[in-house]
Amino acid sequence: DQQVKQNSPSLSVQEGRISILNCDYTNSMFDYFLWYKKYPAEGPTFLISISSIKDKNEDGRFTVFLNKSAKHLSLHIVPSQPGDSAVYFCAASEFSSNTGKLIFGQGTTLQVKP
Amino acid sequence: DSGVTQTPKHLITATGQRVTLRCSPRSGDLSVYWYQQSLDQGLQFLIQYYNGEERAKGNILERFSAQQFPDLHSELNLSSLELGDSALYFCASSAPAQGISEKLFFGSGTQLSVL
Repeated sequence: DQQVKQNSPSLSVQEGRISILNCDYTNSMFDYFLWYKKYPAEGPTFLISISSIKDKNEDGRFTVFLNKSAKHLSLHIVPSQPGDSAVYFCAASEFSSNTGKLIFGQGTTLQVKP
Repeated sequence: DSGVTQTPKHLITATGQRVTLRCSPRSGDLSVYWYQQSLDQGLQFLIQYYNGEERAKGNILERFSAQQFPDLHSELNLSSLELGDSALYFCASSAPAQGISEKLFFGSGTQLSVL
């Protein structure tokens, strides 16, 4: 049972354009969502997060949007840079579980072409 | 550098064998999480320890076990290894009390190859 899904395995965009990565979830108890970025031979690193009480969170070139009714979130990168080429994982957590564990999607490989 | 240390970085072994993966969390972090990433798969949650005690369990096989020691480092033991156990195993840690954290900090992983 995949509770967090990233249906696009890969995405290719031109440098300077917008990258939009999508994520869907099924568990309505999730109340905190995060995006992680992963380069080859490295562990995932935290990028940006959003609480379920918000619908948007921005950090520099990165913005995460949350649509609770659709159980959907997206990560926008504007403008995209070649250094953004990596695997992006969407993750969700449920604070009431009292664990802090994150449930991850399968990841989307982003390639930003110069 | 996340501050989470995993050893070894690479491990090659044969089917039926047993291996131990080690993780040192960030200084002061009480929670340790283990994740498995197989080919074309996302990060699958295996198990969490908080201050030495098991806090949450995911889809961890019975052949796998983990523990967290008094110095807070953790070990993941994989036994009776099968070809399908070949994967990247990540350890992560988080800081706050009660085991609830906004984010996890990941090590660089141990690549396990079962031949």
